[in-house]
Amino acid sequence: DAKTTQPPSMDCAEGRAANLPCNHSTISGNEYVYWYRQIHSQGPQYIIHGLKNNETNEMASLIITEDRKSSTLILPHATLRDTAVYYCIVRVHGSSNTGKLIFGQGTTLQVKP
Amino acid sequence: DTGVSQDPRHKITKRGQNVTFRCDPISEHNRLYWYRQTLGQGPEFLTYFQNEAQLEKSRLLSDRFSAERPKGSFSTLEIQRTEQGDSAMYLCASSPLGASADTQYFGPGTRLTVL
Repeated sequence: DAKTTQPPSMDCAEGRAANLPCNHSTISGNEYVYWYRQIHSQGPQYIIHGLKNNETNEMASLIITEDRKSSTLILPHATLRDTAVYYCIVRVHGSSNTGKLIFGQGTTLQVKP
Repeated sequence: DTGVSQDPRHKITKRGQNVTFRCDPISEHNRLYWYRQTLGQGPEFLTYFQNEAQLEKSRLLSDRFSAERPKGSFSTLEIQRTEQGDSAMYLCASSPLGASADTQYFGPGTRLTVL
């Protein structure tokens, strides 16, 4: 699975959009981009994933560049409860592999009042 | 609550003791994973079960560690002769085998402290 690079920490004002970048320059054609987050003292939580098109769900939006070498997770209106470590993971999809997740160190997002 | 549950949530033990953790995945999820997380690091994969078969083990899973999923439902992770370096959060996750197989649902974790 391709390696990802994320900034170690970011701050965001409550109510503003939080834009979390991720570089995955060695991503291959069949690898998806996944985002999970981990609130303090909890297990990781799935947020969103995509292949090449932008994706949106009730939690966030995922913008993937055309060359797929980077992506941005957008939390449109950050709240204090969004303070967490955010992990960007790229991996092959499907049931032919084990599905294990390879986590980096992620980005610690601090939402401030 | 139909999420992944883990028991106990916290365990304090003395070096050299054996400990066992339990994970109850979401009902009918075929896939079950164990991860370990130390302070300030992301979770690290330990082992994977598809139903009752253990299909992958990380090099992190030394011979003091053993995991089982006897009936393809709950799983246990046992650590024998614990060492201080085993202190960590042990996370369990499950996912269905199928179209949404790659979304993993994590439990709250078991925090192990070895004195």
